[in-house]
Amino acid sequence: TQLLEQSPQFLSIQEGENLTVYCNSSSVFSSLQWYRQEPGEGPVLLVTVVTGGEVKKLKRLTFQFGDARKDSSLHITAAQPGDTGLYLCAGTSGSRLTFGEGTQLTVNP
Amino acid sequence: DAGVIQSPRHEVTEMGQEVTLRCKPISGHNSLFWYRQTMMRGLELLIYFNNNVPIDDSGMPEDRFSAKMPNASFSTLKIQPSEPRDSAVYFCASSLGLNNQPQHFGDGTRLSIL
Repeated sequence: TQLLEQSPQFLSIQEGENLTVYCNSSSVFSSLQWYRQEPGEGPVLLVTVVTGGEVKKLKRLTFQFGDARKDSSLHITAAQPGDTGLYLCAGTSGSRLTFGEGTQLTVNP
Repeated sequence: DAGVIQSPRHEVTEMGQEVTLRCKPISGHNSLFWYRQTMMRGLELLIYFNNNVPIDDSGMPEDRFSAKMPNASFSTLKIQPSEPRDSAVYFCASSLGLNNQPQHFGDGTRLSIL
């Protein structure tokens, strides 16, 4: 069974701070997706990274896929209250998506 | 554009009752996934279909769970008989095929079994 471990599980910070969320596995994935989920809604895709070492930026969010395609990170610069939510990484292997447990981020004004 | 539509949004029922959850995928998507989300276990894949055919049901917890996809625009997940430990949020997602395609999730059905 392929497992994805996310850290930290919970993160509470002040508006304007920077943060990094990590997603680690002992397995190699063909791609890695990051989703954000808000209360009462389903996860929404933020980005997909495919190539080892790939870096993608989405405004204040920077996503990186590890060289060996086993891990990924999400860095948020100058966090805002609107960034609050559950961040989920998901690794693809063939047809299946395996989700990490998620990082619950709270950004306080 | 309409996203993935799930119904009902909330279901509360007594243990032993049959529960049927419904999903309408995004038009044109040929892959459909059922997930269960709990605090303890996170988001778990239960079963997925490609072109209306079940591909992998290894995540279905027990024989009490069954899923069907009679056509490209409709799927059901049935629990019979239901038990309190089935309480969770059940999500349906669809995608344009398999293999690295992004999945589009519905807003889920919050199921409570008393």
